[in-house]
Amino acid sequence: DIQMTQSPSTLSASVGDRVTITCRASQTIGSWLAWYQQKPGKAPKLLISKASTLESGVPSRFSGSGSGTEFTLTISSLQPDDFATYYCQQYNSYSPLTFGGGTKVEIK
Amino acid sequence: QVQLVQSGAEVKKPGASMKVSCKVSGYTLTELSMHWVRQAPGKGLEWMGSFDPEDGEAGEQIYAQKFQGRVTMTEDTSTDTAYMELSSLGSEDTAVYYCATGSLGYFQYWGQGTLVTVSS
Repeated sequence: DIQMTQSPSTLSASVGDRVTITCRASQTIGSWLAWYQQKPGKAPKLLISKASTLESGVPSRFSGSGSGTEFTLTISSLQPDDFATYYCQQYNSYSPLTFGGGTKVEIK
Repeated sequence: QVQLVQSGAEVKKPGASMKVSCKVSGYTLTELSMHWVRQAPGKGLEWMGSFDPEDGEAGEQIYAQKFQGRVTMTEDTSTDTAYMELSSLGSEDTAVYYCATGSLGYFQYWGQGTLVTVSS
């Protein structure tokens, strides 16, 4: 299995802060990485696919980068609606598809 | 635009089976690869498997090894409804179960989730 490790697990930040979340894969996955945002009681929402392709309708303050085994999700200026949990997911291998453990972005 | 609407919450006894449905609208089920993801309370996301339709044939199922032998994913193309059945339930199967679909193995569209509680 490809293990996905996110850091930090919790992040405290203020509105307007620049926030960076890291996701590391246990083996190379090319650019086959997606990022999701999940709010309590809701299904995850796709933000980014192929490591850096922003989904339609997702604010441009979100960006993704990386390839191989190291990836980052950056929120350039944190907004009140951005307080949520973020997950990365690799789709290089179906054996199995795997998610990171999540990063909860909290209000400082 | 794909919409996925799942069946309602369930309570099951240990050892029982569960079956969650996911009705598709906006697309036909034969055009989609349907995946199932679960999330235990306060925990992360866990992929369970997928069902890929094949022209004129029974679909291809890919299951995570963890669930092999306990999970069955099926589809009823006449009603555009996907099903996920999990047997031999234990307390560790208490979770919200999501159906999800998209391209290449990531998920643009998600159902609203179905909470299944396993309790004696």
